[in-house]
Amino acid sequence: DTAVSQTPKYLVTQMGNDKSIKCEQNLGHDTMYWYKQDSKKFLKIMFSYNNKELIINETVPNRFSPKSPDKAHLNLHINSLELGDSAVYFCASHGTGSYYGYTFGSGTRLTVV
Amino acid sequence: AQTVTQSQPEMSVQEAETVTLSCTYDTSENNYYLFWYKQPPSRQMILVIRQEAYKQQNATENRFSVNFQKAAKSFSLKISDSQLGDTAMYFCALFVTNAGKSTFGDGTTLTVKP
Repeated sequence: DTAVSQTPKYLVTQMGNDKSIKCEQNLGHDTMYWYKQDSKKFLKIMFSYNNKELIINETVPNRFSPKSPDKAHLNLHINSLELGDSAVYFCASHGTGSYYGYTFGSGTRLTVV
Repeated sequence: AQTVTQSQPEMSVQEAETVTLSCTYDTSENNYYLFWYKQPPSRQMILVIRQEAYKQQNATENRFSVNFQKAAKSFSLKISDSQLGDTAMYFCALFVTNAGKSTFGDGTTLTVKP
């Protein structure tokens, strides 16, 4: 069973379009994240939700809007895509106790042309 | 603010040998965890090993072990008996409990040579 599932794995789209990335975890974790990995492989946090509540919102353009309908799902919607949005986006959930740490989804490679 | 520094952008090691990846960090908080994550060419991020800051004993997971020097804020990863499948980018990460998020280093690309 996939612990953190992200869809789609690849996304190619034109500038100006709107797109969404979906993430679901079946681990029962309360906290989920979105991270962006740029072309140099640097990982930067974008958002964090705890049990559907937004708790971390880093300096991210307003074109990016996360939504968490329940604690198992965290989606990312991006409006008016720009070339600079091209990156790999990772969803992660945070475990507790002996599972403390991130479990990542497989990532979504977004290419804006 | 938290920072994580990995000073070795690239490293290589011969199969079956031992290699150590360096990481230093900075935080003014007392309650934190340190991690090493592996990202092979498949892109999947995988948790390799975890260290609780309040534990003095260094964590080990099979061929992977850490050298945690709290006073020096150093957290290195040792890979013993390196295997071809260890070829990956390795990220050091600092999770501060109060901040509720991990800060990642820039990564070290490790190549295991046959």
